[in-house]
Amino acid sequence: DAKTTQPNSMESNEEEPVHLPCNHSTISGTDYIHWYRQLPSQGPEYVIHGLTSNVNNRMASLAIAEDRKSSTLILHRATLRDAAVYYCIPPNAGGTSYGKLTFGQGTILTVHP
Amino acid sequence: NAGVTQTPKFQVLKTGQSMTLQCAQDMNHEYMSWYRQDPGMGLRLIHYSVGAGITDQGEVPNGYNVSRSTTEDFPLRLLSAAPSQTSVYFCASSRTGGGYGYTFGSGTRLTVV
Repeated sequence: DAKTTQPNSMESNEEEPVHLPCNHSTISGTDYIHWYRQLPSQGPEYVIHGLTSNVNNRMASLAIAEDRKSSTLILHRATLRDAAVYYCIPPNAGGTSYGKLTFGQGTILTVHP
Repeated sequence: NAGVTQTPKFQVLKTGQSMTLQCAQDMNHEYMSWYRQDPGMGLRLIHYSVGAGITDQGEVPNGYNVSRSTTEDFPLRLLSAAPSQTSVYFCASSRTGGGYGYTFGSGTRLTVV
């Protein structure tokens, strides 16, 4: 299964963009990359997902490398409410497309006022 | 539309006791899964299901049983609780295929003494 490498922590100032990187050492060609975040004392919350091309939604943008071995979650203007642990879910074979999410340690994002 | 509902929210068990954690979703999702999260750690997959009558083991299945008799419900049974099972348990559901985000419940905080 693919393992993910994410920075343990990152910091940002409010209103600034944040780029959260993720490396996936091996990949499945047909599985989706997912991103989730977890606010303190809450369950994980879906952020965005993609397969091969860049994706945008109301919460964030997802940039996927051409070889799919890395992706970057982009928060265009960080707010204090974006402070959370961000998890990149790699495109494991038999993973996101088959009912399973493989969580790593995630990146703790701190947003300063 | 309540999403994913987990009950109870908190539970204290004595070592050796059994109990069932309930998970219900009203979104007609085929995929359902259980995760545990130990303090300061990421989530680990316990069991998952891709539809009624179909279940499979995840990363840490020992000490837990599941069954899926309906699309809506996916209970997790602790057979004989141990202190090592003290954790926060999350249930998640999703539509089939990896092209949809997973919805998580708010969690059950279990303490085994």
